[in-house]
Amino acid sequence: DGGITQSPKYLFRKEGQNVTLSCEQNLNHDAMYWYRQDPGQGLRLIYYSQIVNDFQKGDIAEGYSVSREKKESFPLTVTSAQKNPTAFYLCASRWGENYGYTFGSGTRLTVV
Amino acid sequence: KEVEQDPGPFNVPEGATVAFNCTYSNSASQSFFWYRQDCRKEPKLLMSVYSSGNEDGRFTAQVDKSSKYISLFIRDSQPSDSATYLCAMSGAMDSSYKLIFGSGTRLLVRP
Repeated sequence: DGGITQSPKYLFRKEGQNVTLSCEQNLNHDAMYWYRQDPGQGLRLIYYSQIVNDFQKGDIAEGYSVSREKKESFPLTVTSAQKNPTAFYLCASRWGENYGYTFGSGTRLTVV
Repeated sequence: KEVEQDPGPFNVPEGATVAFNCTYSNSASQSFFWYRQDCRKEPKLLMSVYSSGNEDGRFTAQVDKSSKYISLFIRDSQPSDSATYLCAMSGAMDSSYKLIFGSGTRLLVRP
């Protein structure tokens, strides 16, 4: 079945550490997105990519980095510069303007 | 805020009709969606919202572009409908296809 796979499901980060969240899709979608969701809040856009080797900052890109070397993969790195990284991270892809997102199952990141 | 959504919670008895609304500010928004999110899970697409309105079983979605709001109605609500409902819409007339989300409305349907 086609879909988006995020891993790991849970991740614990120590202070000052960089961590990378994986996002892989086999839907053949060009556009991919990373969102962050904090408790009781909506989704905020971190980064997005419309095509391989190109990506754009979203509304809250500071402290994050991404790469898009393959169509299927869009990993997100949470750097030590992100001061409040504890959140639920969601990866999504989209076929086009008239279609909604397909989301992965998310990664729950906690700073310890 | 680009999208405003009542956070709720809406606490209703089984069988009630529930209405969710979102207002938005960007008149360039062209595509609209409703998502359902269960606790600690990812959002799942519930319905796309077409200009003419659309219905899927107990669910009806509408958009009023002149007033800039979208609506979702659930008829004969069931306890299994308890979840958070998020509206989403395209944010700009560009090719990024990115969506802007409301903060979600929690629904609890009592048996």
